[in-house]
Order: sequence, then C-alpha cells, then structure tokens
Amino acid sequence: NAGVTQTPKFQVLKTGQSMTLQCAQDMNHNSMYWYRQDPGMGLRLIYYSASEGTTDKGEVPNGYNVSRLNKREFSLRLESAAPSQTSVYFCASSQRLLRTEAFFGQGTRLTVV
Amino acid sequence: GQQLNQSPQSMFIQEGEDVSMNCTSSSIFNTWLWYKQEPGEGPVLLIALYKAGELTSNGRLTAQFGITRKDSFLNISASIPTDVGIDFCAGQVDFGNEKLTFGTGTRLTIIP
Repeated sequence: NAGVTQTPKFQVLKTGQSMTLQCAQDMNHNSMYWYRQDPGMGLRLIYYSASEGTTDKGEVPNGYNVSRLNKREFSLRLESAAPSQTSVYFCASSQRLLRTEAFFGQGTRLTVV
Repeated sequence: GQQLNQSPQSMFIQEGEDVSMNCTSSSIFNTWLWYKQEPGEGPVLLIALYKAGELTSNGRLTAQFGITRKDSFLNISASIPTDVGIDFCAGQVDFGNEKLTFGTGTRLTIIP
C-alpha cells in the first residue's frame, strides 16, 4: 500500500520562482493537510481540506495556495518562493469523523536560495 | 491558537532504560495522538487516545490521556536502538474539526 505519496522529495528554488508540491493518497480519506516542519518548531499546519471541494487556512497560510483536485490529490503551490519558506513539507490525510489519526507522506525538503 | 508544550526536548538514555515524556496544553483537547519520526521520514502514528483518563498500550509503549484533558504522557519501556528519533504529541480540539496541533518533539538518542 502506497499510503500518502509526495513529489518531489527534494527541491531547490531561487527566490521568486514558483512551484507546486504534489500529494496523493490511496486510502479513500476525506481530509488532507499540508504541514511545514522547521527545526525546534514541530509541525505547523499550512492549509487543510476537510473534504473534496473545500479548503481552509491553517496556522501559517501566507505565501501558499492549495488545490483539492479530487478526493485523492491535494497540491500546495508557492507562487513566489522566499527564503523563509525553506522547510520540510509534509502532506497528510485522515478519515473524517470516526478516525482522526493523520497519516503522513515522506516529506519534501525545499530550499529557497 | 492552541499551544502544546512538550518536554523534555531531548533525552540521552542507555539501552534498556525506560523513557517518559509529556505534553501539556493551554486548552482542552478531545484527542491526543503520539507520533514518531525517523530521520528523512514522515511521522508515523504510535498511539491514539480518545477519552479522558484513557490508558493505552502498544507493545513497549504506554500513553495516557490526562483527566484534565490538557495533558498526555508517553512512556517507552526497555528502550532499544530502533527507538531513536523524534516523538511528537498532537492534539485535536473538536471532533468536527480535524486540525491537529503538534508539540515541538522529544529527540530520543539511545546510548549502547
């Protein structure tokens, strides 16, 4: 079982460039999330999608946009990358209501120079 | 937003020792989760707690949902080398709101 798959695993961007991080889950989960992880700060929620067709801001949404393309896929876009967005990005999914445990992808390590 | 204080930040322990860590919150949570993250990997769920006072075990791991609903504890007994990594607590406020708030993690290093 693939679970949650993120691409790419590594990326280096120049300041001002744009890119989209892709995420797909094969567990038929309703909810999907994007987190960023910085040293000493744990994981912080960027955006989430409680169900297909809906997206909401998390704790640190500035500088990001998301698209819930269908039930399986949830992408994160950086329109104009900044060095402050250097981080490790994790996508996660969970089944709503009864089970809220989130399952995580392996992460995307992004460096903005 | 909610704040989760996790302690200790790091632990250096000898193989075979028991480990304890905890998380405290400034507000009430209805769900507590404990995750482990190994280098270069995403967090993996260890234990889920859904009821205040609940004590749940998963092998050598035991976690408790505090009675006040503002704290949770994770104990690892007889640590082994593969326990290395960062353990995170995570809390959820409402059943209708799936957002999780994460603690800052406890980095576990095992000394052979």
